[in-house]
Amino acid sequence: DSGVTQTPKHLITATGQRVTLRCSPRSGDLSVYWYQQSLDQGLQFLIQYYNGEERAKGNILERFSAQQFPDLHSELNLSSLELGDSALYFCASSVGVGGGTAETQYFGPGTRLLVL
Amino acid sequence: DAKTTQPNSMESNEEEPVHLPCNHSTISGTDYIHWYRQLPSQGPEYVIHGLTSNVNNRMASLAIAEDRKSSTLILHRATLRDAAVYYCILRDVRGESGGSNYKLTFGKGTLLTVNP
Repeated sequence: DSGVTQTPKHLITATGQRVTLRCSPRSGDLSVYWYQQSLDQGLQFLIQYYNGEERAKGNILERFSAQQFPDLHSELNLSSLELGDSALYFCASSVGVGGGTAETQYFGPGTRLLVL
Repeated sequence: DAKTTQPNSMESNEEEPVHLPCNHSTISGTDYIHWYRQLPSQGPEYVIHGLTSNVNNRMASLAIAEDRKSSTLILHRATLRDAAVYYCILRDVRGESGGSNYKLTFGKGTLLTVNP
């Protein structure tokens, strides 16, 4: 158990819909990362939040957005869903103190999204 | 991020040592070598990391070539539970975005099969 929790575990929805994935980081971790894992693209970094602020963006579509709340949990919002958005979505957290450390990321169990 | 090259797959027998190679000929002086693994139906998990010297922990050992252009993850006695995809990842110790973005860039990794 990494200490990172994600809900829901599975999500089935239809094209055009909007869903919200939730992540609670390990206690004390300030950084939250979102990754998408699909069969054709592998594991790809989407976005990072550090202590409530967006820090970095990766291959995140404009239809996707995220935020990190004062209690440090994070939500990933996926809208206007397409069949190709079907994937595993992982959240990871790290201490995130920055500068000169080789930080370990701890991954949650993921949310499996199926868009029909 | 500097590129890594790993074999697509490897096979081992239970209770035998496994040596998983990784080539990273364009590694820079500030790149740490990280290994993560992903067990079936789970999120990635940290295995080990190092900079220049060989490293040991309870999970594995990391042997780093003197020129740092390659490294080897060593599982001393493979178990069935070690069957996973193993990812070799280079991460700049300086991070990005002011030193607080430590995103992981995953390649395809090596699929390790452990035979009973």
